[in-house]
Amino acid sequence: QSALTQPASVSGSLGQSITISCTGSGTDIGAYPYVSWYQQHSDKAPKLVILDVTNRPSGISHRFSGSKSGFTASLTISGLRTEDEGDYYCSSYTGDKTLIFGGGTKLTVL
Amino acid sequence: QVQLVQSGAEVRKPGASVKVSCKASGYSLTDYSITWVRQAPGQGLEWMGWISAYNGNTMYAQNLRGRVTLTTDTSTSTAYMELRSLTSDDTAVYFCARKVLGLDSWGQGTLVTVSS
Repeated sequence: QSALTQPASVSGSLGQSITISCTGSGTDIGAYPYVSWYQQHSDKAPKLVILDVTNRPSGISHRFSGSKSGFTASLTISGLRTEDEGDYYCSSYTGDKTLIFGGGTKLTVL
Repeated sequence: QVQLVQSGAEVRKPGASVKVSCKASGYSLTDYSITWVRQAPGQGLEWMGWISAYNGNTMYAQNLRGRVTLTTDTSTSTAYMELRSLTSDDTAVYFCARKVLGLDSWGQGTLVTVSS
């Protein structure tokens, strides 16, 4: 199964908001409420920032929010900070009990 | 606190096997599944599979079936990932993570280098 589709890069200025999209199909994002988002800084392990489409784990800033419409999920980061810079990956449960990741999006904070 | 600590970097020749460990602390290994994810240099995340530490049930990525085996040792709270018939395409950082969905705690990663 091909990876979920994410833009290769997005950028935003300090204090602004950005949205990263993640497009799948009717057998993954469109079928299940199990989309997660991960933040990864260089040479570090990924960190969970959104699970089950819209839920923030304990300790994650309210500036991070998730949504889904049809086959596309989105991660919005408001009030951009320099520490938000990094790579972001979406993932979704699929119909054959597997997990699939997006190709990743590099966020640059200007 | 929840912690997953992985074994150190490995170097293997093509055709060899590697086994990476992931020791859990701060919770009971049998309460959650362990997922394995890898990341080739400069590339994105690739899901490899998961194992229920409770009953040993597993699910593997189709492109790795037959080459990868996930196991757990509940007596030592340790999960293992073994990958066989290595090629240069298997050079990557290998991560273990807690749970099946919403991977909420990750190991630090283990670099596996396959080179002749």
